Amino acid sequence: DAKTTQPNSMESNEEEPVHLPCNHSTISGTDYIHWYRQLPSQGPEYVIHGLTSNVNNRMASLAIAEDRKSSTLILHRATLRDAAVYYCIPRDGGGGADGLTFGKGTHLIIQP
Amino acid sequence: KAGVTQTPRYLIKTRGQQVTLSCSPISGHRSVSWYQQTPGQGLQFLFEYFSETQRNKGNFPGRFSGRQFSNSRSEMNVSTLELGDSALYLCASSLLRSSYNEQFFGPGTRLTVL
Repeated sequence: DAKTTQPNSMESNEEEPVHLPCNHSTISGTDYIHWYRQLPSQGPEYVIHGLTSNVNNRMASLAIAEDRKSSTLILHRATLRDAAVYYCIPRDGGGGADGLTFGKGTHLIIQP
Repeated sequence: KAGVTQTPRYLIKTRGQQVTLSCSPISGHRSVSWYQQTPGQGLQFLFEYFSETQRNKGNFPGRFSGRQFSNSRSEMNVSTLELGDSALYLCASSLLRSSYNEQFFGPGTRLTVL
């Protein structure tokens, strides 16, 4: 499994954009980059995933570096409900599926 | 569509006992995975079931086992409980086995071993 490095915690203000970085320098060419988040007292929740191109959905955007060694999850306008632990998870796209390997993630704090 | 449901939500057991946890995946989902979450170790993968067969297993002792039924519902069993088995046990379902498919998590079962 590719190793990931994420900041332990980040703080942002409500209604401002948030950029959550993830370093995955050992990622393989077939690994998708997935992001999940876990709100307090809930199970993890899928956010977004991508392979090479930048991706957008209703929750967030994912910007993937050209060399794929890092990515950034972008919350365009943070709300208090976005306060959670965010996990960046490379997943092998070579066939079959291993379980998700969660690291320690980034604890995102949103200030009102 | 109903989400992933887990029963029971809370459970208290004593050391040496065994426990069975249940998971109902989202309708149409065929893959069910189980995870253990503790403050010390974080979220760790236990095993995955697809088409009633265990397809993948994490690094846990044989006391942890599971099964999947023909309707994709899954159960996990922990025998000879230890204090360290106290954790939140999470079940996740996905449509198919593929790293392309996202996993949908249930609310978890909080197990306390006394």
